[in-house]
Amino acid sequence: LAKTTQPISMDSYEGQEVNITCSHNNIATNDYITWYQQFPSQGPRFIIQGYKTKVTNEVASLFIPADRKSSTLSLPRVSLSDTAVYYCLVGSLIYNQGGKLIFGQGTELSVKP
Amino acid sequence: GAGVSQSPSNKVTEKGKDVELRCDPISGHTALYWYRQSLGQGLEFLIYFQGNSAPDKSGLPSDRFSAERTGGSVSTLTIQRTQQEDSAVYLCASSLGAASGSSSYEQYFGPGTRLTVT
Repeated sequence: LAKTTQPISMDSYEGQEVNITCSHNNIATNDYITWYQQFPSQGPRFIIQGYKTKVTNEVASLFIPADRKSSTLSLPRVSLSDTAVYYCLVGSLIYNQGGKLIFGQGTELSVKP
Repeated sequence: GAGVSQSPSNKVTEKGKDVELRCDPISGHTALYWYRQSLGQGLEFLIYFQGNSAPDKSGLPSDRFSAERTGGSVSTLTIQRTQQEDSAVYLCASSLGAASGSSSYEQYFGPGTRLTVT
């Protein structure tokens, strides 16, 4: 199973770009990489997902190197409302065959004015 | 247009009692997931259902834990003979499907049930 490692916490200021890296050295061929955001007392919310190279959507970018042993979530120009815990999820589920989804321990991002 | 709902939102029980947690997924979502989040910890994957079937139950922490899903909709997670270490927030999520092939569908999470075992 792919164990994931993330920094426990990060600090940033409004308007800055934030990059959070997740290490997953034992990622399997079928595993996808997904990032979620969680606010206190709420369930996680999907941010972005990728398999390799770069993925971009309206809120973030995800960079995955060729060896796929790590991934970096990039949040452009963060605001105070981006203060949350960010989780890296690695794994795959094969239809009707099972599988595992491994969440990292989360990175607590604090954005300051 | 309701999201994933869970009940109860909070549950306090005595050690040794059984508890049942309920999850109502988003209508039309065939996949349903259960996670556990202990205080200050990350999310621990417990089990997932594709339709009514749970292909892999090995993520359940012990044989005191069981889960079922009927009618491809509502799911219940049952914990028998609760222990203090079972205290956590239990999160449910649903998605359009579980992985078909190798992809993973976006999961929508409920607000969770906070279980406290005294």
